[in-house]
Amino acid sequence: QVQLVESGGGVVQPGGSLRLSCAASGFSFSYFSMHWVRQSPGKGLEWVALIWYGGTKEHYADSVKGRFTISRDNSKNTLYLEMNSLRADDTAVYYCARDRENFDLTGYVDYWGQGIQVTVSS
Amino acid sequence: EIELTQSPATLSLSPGERATLSCRASQSVNRYLAWYQQKPGQAPRLLIYDASDRAPGIPARFSGSGSGTDFTLTISSLEPEDFAVYYCQQRSNWRGATFGPGTKVEIK
Repeated sequence: QVQLVESGGGVVQPGGSLRLSCAASGFSFSYFSMHWVRQSPGKGLEWVALIWYGGTKEHYADSVKGRFTISRDNSKNTLYLEMNSLRADDTAVYYCARDRENFDLTGYVDYWGQGIQVTVSS
Repeated sequence: EIELTQSPATLSLSPGERATLSCRASQSVNRYLAWYQQKPGQAPRLLIYDASDRAPGIPARFSGSGSGTDFTLTISSLEPEDFAVYYCQQRSNWRGATFGPGTKVEIK
């Protein structure tokens, strides 16, 4: 079955950096576009970034553009999110998520990881 | 950026009742709208995509409608497991996707 397992979260000071990883299994990872979505404490969902299945295109939310970088290693079935210049308002649970269709970008997410906490605090 | 608003913020209903949730976009998203359900401590679950298509495994009591700027999620008869928060999401262009603020369906 499809599994997405995030790792790399934790507590970091404002201005610091963190790299999240997402290990994918149970499906052909290289066939699917992938997303990061976050949820601040007690708040709603915010789409963060996506990367096309071939890794050729990326898109970012305005709130993270220039600070976060999404990437993937299809040989390792792993998705990454490099987060720099972190701010308090980046504090959230970060979800790795799979786009709904293979060899396409629908923008809809059908599988989600369990989420990983990132806390930005001094 | 396209903004989504959802109403009501909270819906208090009893099991067996019909739930009608609304999502409005700040500009047309055609039919590029999805609905997700989220329960406490869990990741969201895709219910509906392209405004009215049910995702695999989603019960028929969930239905979606609408196009352009106004969309509706209907739960025909609430089951105990349906009490949760529901989010709409648009993907009409790739300047980015956005989610609505959510509607909480709670037990009356």
